[in-house]
Amino acid sequence: GENVEQHPSTLSVQEGDSAVIKCTYSDSASNYFPWYKQELGKGPQLIIDIRSNVGEKKDQRIAVTLNKTAKHFSLHITETQPEDSAVYFCAASTGFQKLVFGTGTRLLVSP
Amino acid sequence: EAQVTQNPRYLITVTGKKLTVTCSQNMNHEYMSWYRQDPGLGLRQIYYSMNVEATDKGDVPEGYKVSRKEKRNFPLILESPSPNQTSLYFCASSPLDRGNTEAFFGQGTRLTVV
Repeated sequence: GENVEQHPSTLSVQEGDSAVIKCTYSDSASNYFPWYKQELGKGPQLIIDIRSNVGEKKDQRIAVTLNKTAKHFSLHITETQPEDSAVYFCAASTGFQKLVFGTGTRLLVSP
Repeated sequence: EAQVTQNPRYLITVTGKKLTVTCSQNMNHEYMSWYRQDPGLGLRQIYYSMNVEATDKGDVPEGYKVSRKEKRNFPLILESPSPNQTSLYFCASSPLDRGNTEAFFGQGTRLTVV
């Protein structure tokens, strides 16, 4: 089955810096790659997703890139703000909403 | 407001005492699933359901049961809880008619089994 690895497990940056979180997947049939943000005491919430027919997608300060050949995808957050502090999960899916999640990255943005 | 509601939010129980965690969604989604979240392991799927009376095992189903008698509800049942089921549990729902799309998560249930 699908296996998703996520790095780093923790990431500390200064406000205004960029943050990059990387994930690799094992199943070449995976075609959907969402990123979820989990704030303290809340459930994960989708922040951006990308499908296998697209190499990059951007939404304001966040962007996701996908390299199908290497089977890895990354989340990029620019101009980080303290409210970006949270746990971020990547996931991969081959279809029918079956999501396999990475182990999470705790991002801390210091003022 | 579109939402997934789980109850209770916090639960402490003793080994072997049957419990049910409820999950309800008001978005008419076909797909519902349960995950457990453990430190260093991320979110792992326990069970899922693609519609009423259609449930199937996820990656870590041992010790759990589910049912889907109505489209909006998807309770998680622990018939004989054990300490290794101490975890943070999330219910999620999503539509099936648009292929892979956003999963909506509940607020979570923190379960402690002593």
